[in-house]
Amino acid sequence: GQQLNQSPQSMFIQEGEDVSMNCTSSSIFNTWLWYKQDPGEGPVLLIALYKAGELTSNGRLTAQFGITRKDSFLNISASIPSDVGIYFCAGFNAGNNRKLIWGLGTSLAVNP
Amino acid sequence: DVKVTQSSRYLVKRTGEKVFLECVQDMDHENMFWYRQDPGLGLRLIYFSYDVKMKEKGDIPEGYSVSREKKERFSLILESASTNQTSMYLCASRDPGFSYEQYFGPGTRLTVT
Repeated sequence: GQQLNQSPQSMFIQEGEDVSMNCTSSSIFNTWLWYKQDPGEGPVLLIALYKAGELTSNGRLTAQFGITRKDSFLNISASIPSDVGIYFCAGFNAGNNRKLIWGLGTSLAVNP
Repeated sequence: DVKVTQSSRYLVKRTGEKVFLECVQDMDHENMFWYRQDPGLGLRLIYFSYDVKMKEKGDIPEGYSVSREKKERFSLILESASTNQTSMYLCASRDPGFSYEQYFGPGTRLTVT
């Protein structure tokens, strides 16, 4: 099945640093979702985006729906140790809102 | 809060056994999903069900079947477990009339020996 191109694959940063990750697709998407998975748990939704150009924040997290509708970005400001986990992007192709398309994830490690 | 529960957090089975993974959601969601998660491969959709008794194959259905007799319960069946089915299995549910969000259970880590 189709997958999103998510980068970077992994990041190792110092506490307090800002983090950026992104997701790209070869086709147009009408919804972008960003999930976080803590070790040993299921993914939890962080931010949902529904309109091109939309910029949405959730605490220290900010995500954007790219203007081309083929990409999305997630930024984390002032990282803390509990930000550790795997971040996944996911989305729906225009015209298909039944099956989510997933990225492979960005694994984030934070050094206190 | 939506709660999705999975019958076991850890399971060890032998090759050739029939394995049942159970998932229950308490929010009356119409859609339910089974994924497997492997390192470097992300989440891959095995099967999904958009209503009771209605199911559709995902990207990797081979070796699996599903059952949804009641709205709140979605079972994944490994007809004859094999070692390449050792994985983390995640169940999710969604209310398609409300949002696109899928709510996940904690996962079942299955080891087939």
